[in-house]
Amino acid sequence: GENVEQHPSTLSVQEGDSAVIKCTYSDSASNYFPWYKQELGKRPQLIIDIRSNVGEKKDQRIAVTLNKTAKHFSLHITETQPEDSAVYFCAASMDDYKLSFGAGTTVTVRA
Amino acid sequence: DAGVIQSPRHEVTEMGQEVTLRCKPISGHNSLFWYRQTMMRGLELLIYFNNNVPIDDSGMPEDRFSAKMPNASFSTLKIQPSEPRDSAVYFCASSFFGTGKYEQYFGPGTRLTVT
Repeated sequence: GENVEQHPSTLSVQEGDSAVIKCTYSDSASNYFPWYKQELGKRPQLIIDIRSNVGEKKDQRIAVTLNKTAKHFSLHITETQPEDSAVYFCAASMDDYKLSFGAGTTVTVRA
Repeated sequence: DAGVIQSPRHEVTEMGQEVTLRCKPISGHNSLFWYRQTMMRGLELLIYFNNNVPIDDSGMPEDRFSAKMPNASFSTLKIQPSEPRDSAVYFCASSFFGTGKYEQYFGPGTRLTVT
């Protein structure tokens, strides 16, 4: 099955700085890559996703890039704010249904 | 819309007891997923249904786990007998696959503690 690795496991940034989280996947057949945000004690929520026919997607302060050749994708958060503090999960899927999640990155934004 | 509804929100039970977790997906969604989240193993897909039919149950850890979806608005995940290593947060999620939409909407989760 698909194996997704996520780095770093923890990330501390100063408010206003950028945060970057990277994920690699093992199966070249994967074609859907969502990112979920989970605040402490809450449910995971989709923040952005990308399909393999697109190299980059942006939504306000967040962006995702995909390199199919290298089988890795990244989440970029610019101008970080305290409310960005959460655990972020990347995932990969070959059929849009079955998501294989990374282990998560705990992001802390320091005021 | 009330979103995905799960019950109970917290469950504490003794080893060997039967546990039933319940989920009501968002109305109109045609796919339902059960996940388990632990510190050690992260977020794992246990089983998913499409149009009430189980499509992939390869993530179900053991025969002690079973899931049903008798209709489009209700699903259960049952553990019998429960063991301490089953302690985790169990999430149900639903989605509507069609017209290019893929987002899975998660419920609030059920925190299960088996003593």
